[in-house]
Amino acid sequence: ETGVTQSPTHLIKTRGQQVTLRCSSQSGHNTVSWYQQALGQGPQFIFQYYREEENGRGNFPPRFSGLQFPNYSSELNVNALELDDSALYLCASSLSGGNTEAFFGQGTRLTVV
Amino acid sequence: GQQLNQSPQSMFIQEGEDVSMNCTSSSIFNTWLWYKQDPGEGPVLLIALYKAGELTSNGRLTAQFGITRKDSFLNISASIPSDVGIYFCAGPAYGGSQGNLIFGKGTKLSVKP
Repeated sequence: ETGVTQSPTHLIKTRGQQVTLRCSSQSGHNTVSWYQQALGQGPQFIFQYYREEENGRGNFPPRFSGLQFPNYSSELNVNALELDDSALYLCASSLSGGNTEAFFGQGTRLTVV
Repeated sequence: GQQLNQSPQSMFIQEGEDVSMNCTSSSIFNTWLWYKQDPGEGPVLLIALYKAGELTSNGRLTAQFGITRKDSFLNISASIPSDVGIYFCAGPAYGGSQGNLIFGKGTKLSVKP
C-alpha cells in the first residue's frame, strides 16, 4: 500500500507568479484535502475534492484552486502569489467525502520571494 | 469560529518520563484526532477517537475523548527520544465544509538539556 506523495518537496517562486502542486492519494482513497501550514501554526483547511469536484472550501480566496483526476490524484494551483503564501502545503487523503481519518503527505515547502 | 486550544505549548521530556497534554474547545466535537509532526514532514495520525468517554491506546500512547465532548487528552508513557516532535489535536469543523479539519497550534516536545 503506497502512502500519500506530494511533489515537488520544495519550491521557490516570485511574487505574482503562479504555482501548481501535486498530490497522489493513498491507495484506495478517493478523497483529497489540501491544507496550508504557516510556520509555528497548525494546518489550515483550503479545500477538499471528492469524485473530481470541490466538496468543501475553507476561508481562502479564489486564486487558490484545485483539480482532482480520475485516479484520485490532485493538484493545487495558486495564482498571483503573495509573500504570505509562503508555507508548507499539505495534501491529505481519506476514504470518503466526509470527516474521516485523514492521512497526510510530506508536504511541499513553498517560498515566495 | 471553532478553535482548539492545546496545552502546554511546549514541554521538555527526559527519557523514561510520562507526558500528558490536552486539547480543549468551547464547542463540541464528534471526533478527535491526534497527530504527530516531525520537522519537514507531514502530520502522522496517531489515534482517532469517535465516542465520548472513549479511551484508546496505540503502543505507549493513550488518548481519551472527554465526556463533555469539548476536550481530549493524550498521554505518552515512558518517553523515548523519538517522541520529540509537535503533537496536534484536530477535529471536524461543526457545520463547516466537508472534510474541514480544525487543528490546534500544537504541543512541542523537546528533549531536556
